[in-house]
Amino acid sequence: EADIYQTPRYLVIGTGKKITLECSQTMGHDKMYWYQQDPGMELHLIHYSYGVNSTEKGDLSSESTVSRIRTEHFPLTLESARPSHTSQYLCATSRGNEQFFGPGTRLTVL
Amino acid sequence: EDQVTQSPEALRLQEGESSSLNCSYTVSGLRGLFWYRQDPGKGPEFLFTLYSAGEEKEKERLKATLTKKESFLHITAPKPEDSATYLCAVYHSKLTFGTGTRLQVTL
Repeated sequence: EADIYQTPRYLVIGTGKKITLECSQTMGHDKMYWYQQDPGMELHLIHYSYGVNSTEKGDLSSESTVSRIRTEHFPLTLESARPSHTSQYLCATSRGNEQFFGPGTRLTVL
Repeated sequence: EDQVTQSPEALRLQEGESSSLNCSYTVSGLRGLFWYRQDPGKGPEFLFTLYSAGEEKEKERLKATLTKKESFLHITAPKPEDSATYLCAVYHSKLTFGTGTRLQVTL
């Protein structure tokens, strides 16, 4: 079944730790995205990729980095987590202009 | 700059009480307006895409319509399982989201 997977679903971590949020998809889509969403707020694009070895920064300034070595995998890394990184992180893929979202990772940095 | 405004912020309906959610937008060159449903702690679930004024899409109790300045999501005879946040987004060169309408349907 075509789907988008994100792990972990929930993560509580201390300040200064390095973390990687995983996103993988079996949708067969080339384009992938990372969004950040705070409660009651709109989604903000932080990174996107149009294919293997292609990554771009989105509108929202982010201290995270991404890589796209395989079509189906688009991990997001924070080298040194801070409390300001506490948020929900959503991975998405697109077919044309229609975007489809994974279940999200809720990150809490203490 | 593309802008999306959704109203109301929150809406409480009784089961069977029909209503509409509004999405007003400004975008230079609309290439799609999208409706999503988002349950607490989950990612948005795709509902509809509308491309041109006058277009309508339906799915079960939901119907989405589009004009040149706004879109409506009509909910007919809602059930408690329709409770969720409904997000609107417009696409020009990227997807721009509104903050959503939190819908609660009670028995």
